[in-house]
Amino acid sequence: QQQVKQSPQFLIVQKGGISIINCAYENTAFDYFPWYQQFPGKGPALLIAIRPDVSEKKEGRFTISFNKSAKQFSLHIMDSQPGDSATYFCAASPPTTSGTYKYIFGTGTRLKVLA
Amino acid sequence: DAGVIQSPRHEVTEMGQEVTLRCKPISGHNSLFWYRQTMMRGLELLIYFNNNVPIDDSGMPEDRFSAKMPNASFSTLKIQPSEPRDSAVYFCASSFSSNYGYTFGSGTRLTVV
Repeated sequence: QQQVKQSPQFLIVQKGGISIINCAYENTAFDYFPWYQQFPGKGPALLIAIRPDVSEKKEGRFTISFNKSAKQFSLHIMDSQPGDSATYFCAASPPTTSGTYKYIFGTGTRLKVLA
Repeated sequence: DAGVIQSPRHEVTEMGQEVTLRCKPISGHNSLFWYRQTMMRGLELLIYFNNNVPIDDSGMPEDRFSAKMPNASFSTLKIQPSEPRDSAVYFCASSFSSNYGYTFGSGTRLTVV
């Protein structure tokens, strides 16, 4: 119940295309869903996040779509660019009483955008 | 702000040796996390601290692993004795309570031969 399942493992997209990465969770208590972007040799960096009370959140070319009933959420990268080539992680966090959010990460998607 | 600072960036050690990884969180952040990243298991939470107190160490794989946070600006993760299967990238991250986002350091790549 604590797992977050992410797919695909690898994704190759042409420049200008749409990249779509999917995640699914089981624990209905999860209440925060971030996406992290990681470049080689760097730590993951927060990209965008969503709470389950909204179905979509958009920031620039990045959009999270959230389906609470299906317990799924996805990251869409519009007009994908070679600079978007990185590994993307979804994550989920249950509510906390300590004030600290404890993320459970998906296994990652390695995205390559072809020039 | 210099972000979360980890040292060393790379560590190569022989099996059986003690390894100490270091982390300086962002000033003002009161939560600190240690993660391990491998190809097989992805990002695993090892332990996290809130206000310098260990809250959850259920992810620490074995008694060979220990972590301390003696003050708000410093934490260590120690492996003693190290084994080849400990080879991984170890990340430290920090956050401010009630702030959802973590800030990760650049990691320490540990190789145990």
